[in-house]
Parts: sequence; C-alpha cells; structure tokens
Amino acid sequence: NAGVTQTPKFQVLKTGQSMTLQCAQDMNHNSMYWYRQDPGMGLRLIYYSASEGTTDKGEVPNGYNVSRLNKREFSLRLESAAPSQTSVYFCASSEFSDYGYTFGSGTRLTVV
Amino acid sequence: GENVEQHPSTLSVQEGDSAVIKCTYSDSASNYFPWYKQELGKGPQLIIDIRSNVGEKKDQRIAVTLNKTAKHFSLHITETQPEDSAVYFCAAYYSYNQGGKLIFGQGTELSVKP
Repeated sequence: NAGVTQTPKFQVLKTGQSMTLQCAQDMNHNSMYWYRQDPGMGLRLIYYSASEGTTDKGEVPNGYNVSRLNKREFSLRLESAAPSQTSVYFCASSEFSDYGYTFGSGTRLTVV
Repeated sequence: GENVEQHPSTLSVQEGDSAVIKCTYSDSASNYFPWYKQELGKGPQLIIDIRSNVGEKKDQRIAVTLNKTAKHFSLHITETQPEDSAVYFCAAYYSYNQGGKLIFGQGTELSVKP
C-alpha cells in the first residue's frame, strides 16, 4: 500500500504566485489533515476534514484554502504565496479523528 | 485554549540509557494521546498511543504514562539505541462538534550517542 501520497515533494514559488498541494490516501480513511512544520514550532494544523464533504479551520488557516475532492483526496491551495509560507507541509489521514494518523512524506515549499 | 507543551526540546543520552520526554495538555476532556517519531527527511510515524481510560501502556522498549489529574503524559524509552535518534512529538486530541483534531507539542530532538 502506498499510504498517503503527496505531490510535489519540492517547490519554489515567487511571492504572489499560486499553487495547489495534492494529497491522496488509499487506506479508505474518513479524516484528512494538512499540517505545516517550522523549526521549533512543531506541527501546526492548517485545515482538516473530519469526513468527506466537511472541512474546518485549524490553528493557522490564513492564506490557505482546501478542497476535499472525494474520500481519497484532500488538496491545499495557496492563492497568493508569501515568504511566511515557506515551510514543510504534511498531509495526514486517519480512520476516525481520534485514531492514529498516517502522514505523507511532505512537501518542502520555498517562497522567494 | 488548545495547547500542548513538550519538554525538553533537545535530549542527549548514551546508548543503553533511558530517555524520558514529558508533555502537558490544557483540556481535561482530551482522551487520546499519541506519540510520533520523525526521522530526517520523513513524515512523522506513530509509535505508541494511549487513551484516557488507561494509565500506562508498553510496547517493547517504549512506554507511555498518563496522569489525567495533572494533565500530563510521558514517553519512556529504555535501553536506547543509536537508531532511536530522531525528533519525537506528543499530541493531544481535542474534540469538536464535527469531529476533532490532534494538537502537537513542539518536538524533542533525541540524540543517542554510541
């Protein structure tokens, strides 16, 4: 099983550009999440989707939008990238929201 | 508000020694506490978890303890090995009307010296 697949693995954007980070899981999980990881700040939740058809804001949602396309896919969009969005982004999924998460391998994003 | 504090931020031990990482959480209603290990360049991986109806859980060299009254939980690694070197994250589950989410601690970088 592939688990959680994130694309792309690396990306460099110019300030003001837009992009979508893709995430897909093949474990038939109900819940999906987007986190960002910055040095010394751990993993901070951007958005989550408890089940297909629902999305909710996390701790740091400003500057991002999400789409739960179907049960497998959960995308994260940056409409106008800013240097403060330089980070490593992780997608995760779980069978239910209070079960262990499976994380993808991450997308390293640099905004210049 | 939602908060998880994790200490220490770095920990260095000799191979064979024990390592302990501690976390505190803010919401007494939290009922699920997982621990993750992150190796360099990889995503976090679940290594052990505990629910609030249990005080302690063990899996080989790894154990987690939970003190609900004090709202803190700890990860214990015995007989540490160089391959235990990684960043470890604790998390606490916060529930809401439409489900819930994990809030993570800031991470502990564990270094095991041969």
